[in-house]
Amino acid sequence: AQSVTQLGSHVSVSEGALVLLRCNYSSSVPPYLFWYVQYPNQGLQLLLKYTTGATLVKGINGFEAEFKKSETSFHLTKPSAHMSDAAEYFCAVSDRRGYSTLTFGKGTMLLVSP
Amino acid sequence: DGGITQSPKYLFRKEGQNVTLSCEQNLNHDAMYWYRQDPGQGLRLIYYSQIVNDFQKGDIAEGYSVSREKKESFPLTVTSAQKNPTAFYLCASSRPLDTGELFFGEGSRLTVL
Repeated sequence: AQSVTQLGSHVSVSEGALVLLRCNYSSSVPPYLFWYVQYPNQGLQLLLKYTTGATLVKGINGFEAEFKKSETSFHLTKPSAHMSDAAEYFCAVSDRRGYSTLTFGKGTMLLVSP
Repeated sequence: DGGITQSPKYLFRKEGQNVTLSCEQNLNHDAMYWYRQDPGQGLRLIYYSQIVNDFQKGDIAEGYSVSREKKESFPLTVTSAQKNPTAFYLCASSRPLDTGELFFGEGSRLTVL
């Protein structure tokens, strides 16, 4: 069985500060890993994903994440927060087995203050 | 443009009534999914379908029903047996034998009065 833990249901940063959202996973097989963003009353939009190859993955809106197998982590970062980054972020893991279903973390709400 | 369309966006119903949420996709994806979202609980899988005329229960299927008569359509019925139906419902689809990446609709918010 696979699972995802996102540390912190809410993270607050100032505009221009570093954004760090934490995600740890468990999986019995090498995983595919995802970060999604959700704005209020909207669906989820893919930020970035790790499948194979380079462990540092770059996504949209200046976000990136690094897959660390030894730490079973896939933390999301952005060097400088913008007000428009305020949203809820979800980490997810796939077990790579054909028609697998993603397992989501409970989400982290990012609050950005001026 | 290809995508997933959910309707209605907002829906109100009285207790004891069934309600059906529509989900249509033109991405030519084989698999479709329904998730329920509640504050602080993330996304929970209700039902999924990998192929027409076949579907499987997810983690919280009780009180819900689905059909998959066409590849493009995967409607969800919230029945009167669902004890706490007020939630945000998300439909998604995925490509076959892919990474598991999901493509989401804009969601439907159901409120039971």
